Amino acid sequence: QQQVKQSPQSLIVQKGGISIINCAYENTAFDYFPWYQQFPGKGPALLIAIRPDVSEKKEGRFTISFNKSAKQFSLHIMDSQPGDSATYFCAAGLRVNYGGATNKLIFGTGTLLAVQP
Amino acid sequence: DVKVTQSSRYLVKRTGEKVFLECVQDMDHENMFWYRQDPGLGLRLIYFSYDVKMKEKGDIPEGYSVSREKKERFSLILESASTNQTSMYLCASSLSTGSLRSYTFGSGTRLTVV
Repeated sequence: QQQVKQSPQSLIVQKGGISIINCAYENTAFDYFPWYQQFPGKGPALLIAIRPDVSEKKEGRFTISFNKSAKQFSLHIMDSQPGDSATYFCAAGLRVNYGGATNKLIFGTGTLLAVQP
Repeated sequence: DVKVTQSSRYLVKRTGEKVFLECVQDMDHENMFWYRQDPGLGLRLIYFSYDVKMKEKGDIPEGYSVSREKKERFSLILESASTNQTSMYLCASSLSTGSLRSYTFGSGTRLTVV
């Protein structure tokens, strides 16, 4: 129930094309769904995130589509560029409370995106 | 620029050695985390800490321990390194407000156990 399933494992897209990465979850207690971008030699960095009361969120060329009933969400990269070549992780988050609040993130297995010029 | 700094970029250790991975953050964050990243498995949480001297097990704590004596520093300890602990280790920190945008990763330590 704590898993987040991500596909595809790798993706090759031509410059200017649309990259689509899909994720699915089981635990309905998750309350936010971020996407992280990781370049070689760097740690993951937050790209875009959505809460389950919204079906779509767009920031520039990046869009999250969220389907609560299907328990699925996806990242769309429009007009993909070679600079977008990276590993992308979806995640699902739970807010848990100890002394303060912290976010427990469950990550997908990652998608290696290569955008060809 | 705010940072999470991991002391070593690459580390090679022998089986059975005690290994310390160090992480320092300069953002005054209350929460700190240790993950390991393996191909095909994504990031898996080993331990996290929500305050000095406080710690909680993550999803894969076996074979690891942690120490947080100061707010800015969180150490991961491999008591007796084994080859199956060869991995990329990522440290992260966040605010106790639960702010997702405050969640910041270091660049990682690639550990090889031979």
